[in-house]
Amino acid sequence: GDSVTQMEGPVTLSEEAFLTINCTYTATGYPSLFWYVQYPGEGLQLLLKATKADDKGSNKGFEATYRKETTSFHLEKGSVQVSDSAVYFCALTAGGTSYGKLTFGQGTILTVHP
Amino acid sequence: EPEVTQTPSHQVTQMGQEVILRCVPISNHLYFYWYRQILGQKVEFLVSFYNNEISEKSEIFDDQFSVERPDGSNFTLKIRSTKLEDSAMYFCASSGQANTIYFGEGSWLTVV
Repeated sequence: GDSVTQMEGPVTLSEEAFLTINCTYTATGYPSLFWYVQYPGEGLQLLLKATKADDKGSNKGFEATYRKETTSFHLEKGSVQVSDSAVYFCALTAGGTSYGKLTFGQGTILTVHP
Repeated sequence: EPEVTQTPSHQVTQMGQEVILRCVPISNHLYFYWYRQILGQKVEFLVSFYNNEISEKSEIFDDQFSVERPDGSNFTLKIRSTKLEDSAMYFCASSGQANTIYFGEGSWLTVV
C-alpha cells in the first residue's frame, strides 16, 4: 500500500538556519504530495502541495519539489524563525478511487531557538 | 478565508458512552472526511463521504463508528460505545474539486 517516510526528529535549529526535512514515498500511480504543519495546540494546516512530477510547491518561504525519480518531496526553508516551531507532516493522496484519502508520514518536530 | 469548524474542541466521556463529534465543512465543498491522531502517533484516515454516502473507510472505522450529514451544513462522526483506545484528536476535513484537503482544528476526545 501507499506509505510516507519522514526523517527522524526532532529537529532543533537556531534562528536563520537552513532547514531540510526529508520525505520519501511509496505509491502506485501518480500521487499528489503535500506538506501540512501543526502548530502547538492547533489543527493541521496545509503548507504547500505539488500535484505532478517536477512541480515545486511553495508558501511562507518553504519549498518542496516533487521528484518522481527519487520518490521524494523534501521540505526546505532558507532561514527559519522561532515562529516556524511546529510539527511538519508529509502526506500523499493517490487519487482515483482513493480521492481525498491522505496517507501521512509520522511527523517531524521542529524547534527553532532564538 | 473559509475554514472547517469543529465542536466540541475537547470532550471527556466515560467508557461505553456514545459520542457525537460535529463539523461544519467549507460551504462549497463536496467531499468530507474524518481522520484521527492518537497522541504521539500518525494521523490516520478513518472515512470519506461523498454524495451522501461513504466512499471509502479504513479498518479502524468499524461498526462502532458512523457518519452522517443530517442537513446541508453539518457532518458528524458518532462513536456508539467508546473504548479507552478511542482517545485521540479527531479531525474533520473537506475538499472541493482541487484535491486539496482542508482540516479543522480537531476535537480532542478523552475516554475515561
